[in-house]
Parts: sequence; structure tokens; C-alpha cells
Amino acid sequence: KNEVEQSPQNLTAQEGEFITINCSYSVGISALHWLQQHPGGGIVSLFMLSSGKKKHGRLIATINIQEKHSSLHITASHPRDSAVYICAVPGGGADGLTFGKGTHLIIQP
Amino acid sequence: DTGVSQNPRHKITKRGQNVTFRCDPISEHNRLYWYRQTLGQGPEFLTYFQNEAQLEKSRLLSDRFSAERPKGSFSTLEIQRTEQGDSAMYLCASSLRAINSPLHFGNGTRLTVT
Repeated sequence: KNEVEQSPQNLTAQEGEFITINCSYSVGISALHWLQQHPGGGIVSLFMLSSGKKKHGRLIATINIQEKHSSLHITASHPRDSAVYICAVPGGGADGLTFGKGTHLIIQP
Repeated sequence: DTGVSQNPRHKITKRGQNVTFRCDPISEHNRLYWYRQTLGQGPEFLTYFQNEAQLEKSRLLSDRFSAERPKGSFSTLEIQRTEQGDSAMYLCASSLRAINSPLHFGNGTRLTVT
């Protein structure tokens, strides 16, 4: 089973700051998911990436397959970015995902 | 595309009662997953279906849990003789085909067993 570690567990920052959330995993993978979960439970898929970098608006995700590490960056952070960000990789069942515990991000105005 | 729909959003039940949750995936998605999430933890895989076939069940899924997807469309997750430890958010997700397809999650069903 793939082990997924996220850091930090909790992060509080001021509006406008550049945010970085890290994810490390133990077993080589073909793709990694970044997910966003708002209070109330709904989960939204942000990125699925297998190499290099992807960008969507103010969100940037990078992955280093050799180092088994991925980062999620938020530029010009805003209070509406406050959520739990979860990293997930294959390996939680024959075809299920193993999820990290999430990073609880709070952006203060 | 109306997204993945889960019902009910919240369920409060007394210990020992049976509960059933429903998930309606995105219509063309043939893969459907159930996850369970407790406070402060990431989701944990429970089971998944490809069309109507249940292809994998986690060891987390005790004999009291059963899931079905009878026609390869909606799915139900039933918990019999609920216990307080079953209290959690139950999440459903669907995808188009393989694990490397994006997952689309429902808003979950929050179960509280009193």
C-alpha cells in the first residue's frame, strides 16, 4: 500500500501570500491527484498529474516522480481558498486511491 | 452533467438500526467508488464498481456493510446493525474509466449513530 504524507497539517496565512502544500508518497505511481474539500464535505478534483507541472488560474501543481514528491502552490491567496487540500495516489485497493490526511488551509483577510 | 448526487445529505440513526445511502454517478461514468471519511482524516477506500460488477472491497468493509450497483447506474451502500464507530462521512465518486481518470465526488452523506 502506498503511504502518503502531507505537510503542513494546518496552515494559516494572510490574504495575498504565496502558499505551498507538500505531498510525499512511498511507492512509484502513474498519476497523483490534488483535491479540495470545503466544509460540508464536498470534494473537488483540482489536478491529476503524472509529470512536470500543471496550472489552473492561481493554482499550480508540480510533481517529481523520481523523488516521489508533489507540491500544490496557490498564488495571491484569497479567503475563499480556505479549505482542506488533499493529495491522493493509486494504491488504496485494486483500483482505489490512498489519500493523505489533508492540509487545513485558512486564509485570513 | 449534473454531477454526482448523494442522498441523504445527513442521517441520524440509533445504534442497531439499518441505514441505506444512495449515489447517482455522472451518467456516462462506468466506475463508481465508495469512501469513508472520519474527522481530521483523509477518505478511506471502501469498495468500487465497474459497471454493475463489484471489483474490490476493502478490509474496512465488514460483513455489516453491503454495496450494490444493480444496473450499472446508481449505487446503494447499506449498513446493518449500525454501531457508533460507523459515524462518518460516506463519499461516493465516479470516473469514466481507469484510475488515472479524474474523479468526481458527491457531497457525501454524513452519518451519525447515537
